[in-house]
Amino acid sequence: DQQVKQNSPSLSVQEGRISILNCDYTNSMFDYFLWYKKYPAEGPTFLISISSIKDKNEDGRFTVFLNKSAKHLSLHIVPSQPGDSAVYFCAASAQGTASKLTFGTGTRLQVTL
Amino acid sequence: GAGVSQTPSNKVTEKGKYVELRCDPISGHTALYWYRQSLGQGPEFLIYFQGTGAADDSGLPNDRFFAVRPEGSVSTLKIQRTERGDSAVYLCASSFGGGSRELFFGEGSRLTVL
Repeated sequence: DQQVKQNSPSLSVQEGRISILNCDYTNSMFDYFLWYKKYPAEGPTFLISISSIKDKNEDGRFTVFLNKSAKHLSLHIVPSQPGDSAVYFCAASAQGTASKLTFGTGTRLQVTL
Repeated sequence: GAGVSQTPSNKVTEKGKYVELRCDPISGHTALYWYRQSLGQGPEFLIYFQGTGAADDSGLPNDRFFAVRPEGSVSTLKIQRTERGDSAVYLCASSFGGGSRELFFGEGSRLTVL
């Protein structure tokens, strides 16, 4: 039972354009959401997060949007850069089990010149 | 060190053998986590330590898997009687405290069971 789903395994975007990565979840107990970025042969690194009390969080080129009614979140990267090419994982945790993150299967982003 | 350190980076073993994977967390981080990432999947939670004790081991798949953190710093994940299905990258992460959900991951230990 996949509680966090990333339905697009890959995405290709031209440099300078917007990248939009999507994530859906099924568990209504999730109250905190995170995006992690992973380069080959490295561990995931934290990128940005959002609490369920907000609907938007912005950090430089990265913005995460949360739509609780649709159980959907998205990560926007503007403008996309070649160094953004990586696998992006959406993750979620529930109140009371903050230590346990549930990850999606990831979306591979390729930013082309 | 500056980041989470995991050894070995690669381990190849035969079915039925015993394996130990080590994790050295970021200095000062009291919380330590083990995750497992199989091919084409996201990381899957195994166990969480707060200090020396396992606060949540609900992700360990069966009793062949065991983890310790005797002094509240370095942790060892132990797998007995390995099976081919145990092949995966085992990721360790640490954080300032159990309430922090921003985990710092190591590069992982890739385990291959032949």
